[in-house]
Amino acid sequence: GNSVTQMEGPVTLSEEAFLTINCTYTATGYPSLFWYVQYPGEGLQLLLKATKADDKGSNKGFEATYRKETTSFHLEKGSVQVSDSAVYFCALSDSGGYQKVTFGIGTKLQVIP
Amino acid sequence: GAGVSQTPSNKVTEKGKYVELRCDPISGHTALYWYRQSLGQGPEFLIYFQGTGAADDSGLPNDRFFAVRPEGSVSTLKIQRTERGDSAVYLCASSLTPEGAEAFFGQGTRLTVV
Repeated sequence: GNSVTQMEGPVTLSEEAFLTINCTYTATGYPSLFWYVQYPGEGLQLLLKATKADDKGSNKGFEATYRKETTSFHLEKGSVQVSDSAVYFCALSDSGGYQKVTFGIGTKLQVIP
Repeated sequence: GAGVSQTPSNKVTEKGKYVELRCDPISGHTALYWYRQSLGQGPEFLIYFQGTGAADDSGLPNDRFFAVRPEGSVSTLKIQRTERGDSAVYLCASSLTPEGAEAFFGQGTRLTVV
């Protein structure tokens, strides 16, 4: 079956530090890959997505590249801000859409001033 | 409303009781999804509706769980004979269409079975 493995947190960084959250996946075929974010007190939000190999998703300064050869979709940001403090979930869907998304366990990021 | 609304936001119930959790999707969204998020875990798929019908209920853990969406809008997740292991945050999401359209999540209902 499908699965997503992401680094366990919490991750604590100083403001303006570089962020990497690792994510690898197991799936049949060619899944779509996502990063979701959950800010404190809010619902899950789609941060970025990539639907085929070598695609790069990007949003709000975050980027992730779909690497089929390493089955990875690592999240990066060059300079984090306090407002980026949240829980980040790597996820996949092998249906091409959002019908049945498999999520990782989430990585909590805390950015300190 | 502007977003997906879930009620109640918190529910405490005794073991063995029946509970209903409600989801109001974004107006016009034909697809609706239920997920369950246990403490320290990511959300797990339960069921997906396209219109009034359950297109995929393969994530429902057992026959104590049931969901309906009779008019293709509001959905209710029903849990019979609740167990302590059912304690979790139940998330609802909706999307304009299931293929390719972003799914928007509600803030969830936190269910605690004591």
